[in-house]
Amino acid sequence: NAGVTQTPKFRVLKTGQSMTLLCAQDMNHEYMYWYRQDPGMGLRLIHYSVGEGTTAKGEVPDGYNVSRLKKQNFLLGLESAAPSQTSVYFCASSLRYGTQYFGPGTRLLVL
Amino acid sequence: KNQVEQSPQSLIILEGKNCTLQCNYTVSPFSNLRWYKQDTGRGPVSLTIMTFSENTKSNGRYTATLDADTKQSSLHITASQLSDSASYICVVSVSNRDDKIIFGKGTRLHILP
Repeated sequence: NAGVTQTPKFRVLKTGQSMTLLCAQDMNHEYMYWYRQDPGMGLRLIHYSVGEGTTAKGEVPDGYNVSRLKKQNFLLGLESAAPSQTSVYFCASSLRYGTQYFGPGTRLLVL
Repeated sequence: KNQVEQSPQSLIILEGKNCTLQCNYTVSPFSNLRWYKQDTGRGPVSLTIMTFSENTKSNGRYTATLDADTKQSSLHITASQLSDSASYICVVSVSNRDDKIIFGKGTRLHILP
């Protein structure tokens, strides 16, 4: 099993550009999450999904959109990137109340 | 307000020494508490998980304790190794319909040779 994978690993954007981060998991987990991690801030939940076709807002959802069209995939979109969105983005998946399995992260730099 | 506080913020110890990391939480209703290890440049990896009825759980040289009455947990690392250098994150799950997960900010541990 590959576990949780994320693409791309690293990306540089200019302010105003858009992009989509892809998360895939092969563990048949219902729950999937997108976090951002900034120095000294810990992990903060952006959006999450409790099943295919469902999404919900987390702690810091502004400026991001998500979609869960397939159970194994969870997409995070930035419609108009801002320098404040420079961060490391982690995807995770889990069973309900289960251990979260994290991907390797995507490093995003917005200039 | 549901919060998870970790201490110390950072810690430096010599290889071979033991150390203890602390986690205090104000989460209700409590579901479970996990400790994760995050190596630099990687995603967090689960070390232990404890429910309300468990007060200790070991994973090799890592031993986690939980005092549900005082809402405190600790992670004890025995005979530290250079590979233990990482951030250790305490995570508490809320047992309600929102299924919230509250992350601490982590303790950054440096092991010196």
